[in-house]
Amino acid sequence: DTAVSQTPKYLVTQMGNDKSIKCEQNLGHDTMYWYKQDSKKFLKIMFSYNNKELIINETVPNRFSPKSPDKAHLNLHINSLELGDSAVYFCASGDDRHYGYTFGSGTRLTVV
Amino acid sequence: DQQVKQNSPSLSVQEGRISILNCDYTNSMFDYFLWYKKYPAEGPTFLISISSIKDKNEDGRFTVFLNKSAKHLSLHIVPSQPGDSAVYFCAASFRSNDYKLSFGAGTTVTVRA
Repeated sequence: DTAVSQTPKYLVTQMGNDKSIKCEQNLGHDTMYWYKQDSKKFLKIMFSYNNKELIINETVPNRFSPKSPDKAHLNLHINSLELGDSAVYFCASGDDRHYGYTFGSGTRLTVV
Repeated sequence: DQQVKQNSPSLSVQEGRISILNCDYTNSMFDYFLWYKKYPAEGPTFLISISSIKDKNEDGRFTVFLNKSAKHLSLHIVPSQPGDSAVYFCAASFRSNDYKLSFGAGTTVTVRA
């Protein structure tokens, strides 16, 4: 049973396209996150939702829009994709920072 | 501006010996620190954490040490095993920042048989 699952695992698309990455968690957590791992391997937070409500919104282009239909799902929509959006995107969930967050296996997005 | 830094991108250690991973941070507001382990094509998995009110936390083969005055923490793995070969990320957070995790760039550990 996968705790945090995200799809697709790989996504290759052309510049200018719109794409979505889906994330689901079955851990019963109220809080979910999107992180981006860039080419320098840093993991940087993009968004956080608590029980469907946006609580963290880092300096991310507004082409990126998270959507949380319920507390078990946090999807990431990206409009007008650019080359610089190529990265690995990780979804995570967790309510208690003392136990860390549970991450999905990542979605490798390649924009060509 | 990276507030959490792992200055050693890689570490190679003999099986059975100690692995020491280092992490430095710049933001004195951080009050909780975590280590994550990541295998290729997988997400990071939580390994061990430490609160700023402590200077040591141990869990089996893993021990994290915190030196607040130096803004430095380290992860010791003893003894190192082949399955420990992975990328290790240091992360930090603080309450008034909504507990956002700030990550270092990671250290790739290779345990040689």
